[in-house]
Amino acid sequence: QVHLQESGPGLVKPSETLSLTCTVSGGSIGSSDFYWGWIRQAPGKGLEWIGNMYLRGITYINPSHKSRVSMSVDMSKNQFSLNLTSVTAADTAVYYCARHVATGYYNYYFYIDLCGTGTAVTVSS
Amino acid sequence: QSALTQPASVSGSPGQSITISCTGTSTDVGGYTYVSWYQHYPGKGPQLIIYEVSNRPSGVSNRFSGSKSGNTASLTISGLQAEDEAVYYCSSYTRSSSQVFGTGTKVTVL
Repeated sequence: QVHLQESGPGLVKPSETLSLTCTVSGGSIGSSDFYWGWIRQAPGKGLEWIGNMYLRGITYINPSHKSRVSMSVDMSKNQFSLNLTSVTAADTAVYYCARHVATGYYNYYFYIDLCGTGTAVTVSS
Repeated sequence: QSALTQPASVSGSPGQSITISCTGTSTDVGGYTYVSWYQHYPGKGPQLIIYEVSNRPSGVSNRFSGSKSGNTASLTISGLQAEDEAVYYCSSYTRSSSQVFGTGTKVTVL
């Protein structure tokens, strides 16, 4: 059974970079069947899709965050990571790493089928 | 990108059926069959209960069913049970190669 576990700092200062890592156990992050990405939930708000990454570094990012988000994969550790630059209080949220099923024509489409339990991040000085 | 529109809350008595709507546009819900639904309990990760409009993952109760007409998708929960009390989100693939969530619906079992 595949399990996702987020890790990272619980507190980040405004204007700094938020870095989170997701460790995948029970399955290979190198599979062509999946994209790997992130969603978040700000206090009192709904879910927001941040973005994902596929093989060979192909990434898809929420247009609202395109200028601040980058992602990477470490195959040797079966981990993937999120970097969010220039954070503000609006980035305070619970962040979930998420596996996306690759589907459709040439695996071009995707939907989330598995999430971690989430890690809370607060942006404050 | 704009969130898909869901009712803020829906309630029903045990054993009843309820339906949650999810309205988008032709660039998301109306344009693709990649509509999914998630059940979210506080303190846990969202759980997939419907994918590609009407398919249930293995292990998900057949009391959950999904459908779509035009730009609106729907989730029906039949035989409502106390354990169904949670927040439900729809989601869709979008024309900008992203995924967008709905605003979320709190289901209350009376």
